[in-house]
Amino acid sequence: QKEVEQNSGPLSVPEGAIASLNCTYSDRGSQSFFWYRQYSGKSPELIMFIYSNGDKEDGRFTAQLNKASQYVSLLIRDSQPSDSATYLCAVMERGSTLGRLYFGRGTQLTVWP
Amino acid sequence: SAVISQKPSRDICQRGTSLTIQCQVDSQVTMMFWYRQQPGQSLTLIATANQGSEATYESGFVIDKFPISRPNLTFSTLTVSNMSPEDSSIYLCSVGVFNGYTFGSGTRLTVV
Repeated sequence: QKEVEQNSGPLSVPEGAIASLNCTYSDRGSQSFFWYRQYSGKSPELIMFIYSNGDKEDGRFTAQLNKASQYVSLLIRDSQPSDSATYLCAVMERGSTLGRLYFGRGTQLTVWP
Repeated sequence: SAVISQKPSRDICQRGTSLTIQCQVDSQVTMMFWYRQQPGQSLTLIATANQGSEATYESGFVIDKFPISRPNLTFSTLTVSNMSPEDSSIYLCSVGVFNGYTFGSGTRLTVV
């Protein structure tokens, strides 16, 4: 059983701060990792995907991957109240191309003004 | 990325009846995924649907309860059969494309 664990939260940060969301996964052979944002009552939307060790930046978002530690994180800089949502970490099944994803339980983030 | 049209967006159904959910994708995709999301919970994969073959179901989900149709590379349906209040949930379809996975807008099902 593949496991994806996220810090359960809820996480609360002030506007302008850095929000740090963490995720660990059990399958050492996993290669592809995704972060989704889900607003209440909406479907998940993709924020970032990362395949290689290191950092990947897109605007205010940075994904960090450390395969040796089986750890992936998402940093949100200059957090805004509009970032308040549940963030889901997902790991693609090892050895597959566009195969199934394994999701964590999500971390609820609140950014207060 | 792919765009998915999912219908219906919500429904209230009587127990014992069935509901069919449709997903139409704007491009051809090999695999489509059907998820369930219960209130406050993460996504649980129900099954993976490949065109031209039977769907592959996850543990705890069976074809008699959740039959899936995948007649071509852009369309799939999930039926929730013989519904009970425990089936009340959000159902989502998803496809994978080269730059990530896209979800339909979801179907909020309430069984009374």
